[in-house]
Amino acid sequence: SAVISQKPSRDICQRGTSLTIQCQVDSQVTMMFWYRQQPGQSLTLIATANQGSEATYESGFVIDKFPISRPNLTFSTLTVSNMSPEDSSIYLCSVVKGFMNTEAFFGQGTRLTVV
Amino acid sequence: SQELEQSPQSLIVQEGKNLTINCTSSKTLYGLYWYKQKYGEGLIFLMMLQKGGEEKSHEKITAKLDEKKQQSSLHITASQPSHAGIYLCGADGAFNKFYFGSGTKLNVKP
Repeated sequence: SAVISQKPSRDICQRGTSLTIQCQVDSQVTMMFWYRQQPGQSLTLIATANQGSEATYESGFVIDKFPISRPNLTFSTLTVSNMSPEDSSIYLCSVVKGFMNTEAFFGQGTRLTVV
Repeated sequence: SQELEQSPQSLIVQEGKNLTINCTSSKTLYGLYWYKQKYGEGLIFLMMLQKGGEEKSHEKITAKLDEKKQQSSLHITASQPSHAGIYLCGADGAFNKFYFGSGTKLNVKP
């Protein structure tokens, strides 16, 4: 199993500012992912956080808006830059241990409100 | 990318009734996951199915994967208010990425 600590759990931010969300895992993991869940919608994959290299972004998401760091196998950050009210969402960190067809583990999420 | 269609989108049932949620994939599923999410919280892993025809149960929840591995169902027997939440199916994509269905919002009336 994996225990994930995601911080902050919630925040209210002014538009135009940036927020960095941290994801700390209690053990080394192969893959780390960042998801967004907008109100009333399902989870959408933002990017795969790659250890020691640039993150791999899904269509519709760009590094300038969502810079991601992964300095080691247990930690990653997601920054939501130049925020607007449309960025108000729950952001979730997820990890996978091992390779294909293994269980995913999720952080408790960060509820972001942009005003 | 993996396309997952989930139905129904929302469901309101009387306590004690049975219900079924479906998840259909546009591609063969090699790993199908069911999660539950309570409002404002992280996801809770329920079950994983891999083999065609596989069926797993946990307490009053049963999940099945069809023989062709393109459709899964989640069945709740004798629903309780504690079953309320959003149920998500998810599937493995390339490079261990996960893709999710649109979710089913379940309310259980006492």
